[in-house]
Amino acid sequence: GEDVEQSLFLSVREGDSSVINCTYTDSSSTYLYWYKQEPGAGLQLLTYIFSNMDMKQDQRLTVLLNKKDKHLSLRIADTQTGDSAIYFCAERGTGGFKTIFGAGTRLFVKA
Amino acid sequence: EAQVTQNPRYLITVTGKKLTVTCSQNMNHEYMSWYRQDPGLGLRQIYYSMNVEVTDKGDVPEGYKVSRKEKRNFPLILESPSPNQTSLYFCASSLGTGASSHGYTFGSGTRLTVV
Repeated sequence: GEDVEQSLFLSVREGDSSVINCTYTDSSSTYLYWYKQEPGAGLQLLTYIFSNMDMKQDQRLTVLLNKKDKHLSLRIADTQTGDSAIYFCAERGTGGFKTIFGAGTRLFVKA
Repeated sequence: EAQVTQNPRYLITVTGKKLTVTCSQNMNHEYMSWYRQDPGLGLRQIYYSMNVEVTDKGDVPEGYKVSRKEKRNFPLILESPSPNQTSLYFCASSLGTGASSHGYTFGSGTRLTVV
């Protein structure tokens, strides 16, 4: 079945760039999403990319999509301590009935 | 404010005692879904609903029931909870049933402990 994989932990220094990677298996994915979960809270949609795009930039966030390799990445420029959270990659296929989430990458930002 | 509201936030119960976790959204969303979050496993879908009276199983439906009698409400029912249902539960909704740029709006979560 469909699967989404992410590394579980990433540690960076404040001010550096963070790159969180994700791979997925469903070739029918139309939208790919990044969600952010802060402690004690639900997930919030951070950004998304449509499957016919290679890149999307939104302020400090850059999403790169390599559709051939089914690889998605989220780059956070000038990472701040407030960016410490769990980041989930997710994909939703054409039918839209199911969204498959990765296990989440916990980002630690050291001051 | 547009939101998904879950209740309760925290619940400790005993094995076998029926419970209901409520979920309500005020955005007129057609699609609603329940997920459970477990360490190292991410979010796994329990049930989803594409509209009133239309529900279907997700990846881990065993031990759960849902109903969608009204568009805004999508309660999760555990008829006979067991310790392996101890988890963090999230309700989510989205505009329409197709994939879109809107993604999901999530509730704040319900932490359930079954002893």
